[in-house]
Amino acid sequence: NAGVTQTPKFRVLKTGQSMTLLCAQDMNHEYMYWYRQDPGMGLRLIHYSVGEGTTAKGEVPDGYNVSRLKKQNFLLGLESAAPSQTSVYFCASSLAGGPGELFFGEGSRLTVL
Amino acid sequence: LAKTTQPISMDSYEGQEVNITCSHNNIATNDYITWYQQFPSQGPRFIIQGYKTKVTNEVASLFIPADRKSSTLSLPRVSLSDTAVYYCLEYGGSQGNLIFGKGTKLSVKP
Repeated sequence: NAGVTQTPKFRVLKTGQSMTLLCAQDMNHEYMYWYRQDPGMGLRLIHYSVGEGTTAKGEVPDGYNVSRLKKQNFLLGLESAAPSQTSVYFCASSLAGGPGELFFGEGSRLTVL
Repeated sequence: LAKTTQPISMDSYEGQEVNITCSHNNIATNDYITWYQQFPSQGPRFIIQGYKTKVTNEVASLFIPADRKSSTLSLPRVSLSDTAVYYCLEYGGSQGNLIFGKGTKLSVKP
């Protein structure tokens, strides 16, 4: 029962470096989401995908790119990391956009120095 | 912007019933109300979902009045382990733009 798996769980970057966060789900869910969480800010939607090959912008998309080449995977990329992108990133998936349950991963903590 | 409004924080004591209210004045006809619970360093997890009237499960109850402009999550006899952030989310149909608010931080004291 893996559910939603995020890798890596922790990462430290220097300003300007690039990296990719991987989200994998084994529930055959159509919809996938990337959120970031900062202290006192709740969850903010970065990008989402309503199916393989499709992506869309959420609330705070600037500085991030995403890809959904396979239904089970949703990648979040930072091309040139900035300290403002220091955050905890959560991936989620759902069978459909709603109503229904969102299943979240355990989070990836990213620090940009 | 989030479609819902909740209190930022609430305090309670063990054994009490806690009611957290969420406002969603412009809820769409097709939208449901869903509540999530998040513990520190963990991803949120689903608690309960409803469309109108009352829904109850083993964890909580959800009350949604006829006008559906608000909803109340009720946690019976809370314990220290119920200390968490609770999010109210309004969504339905087929949109993927699911916006969470800042949630309500519930602190349960002994």
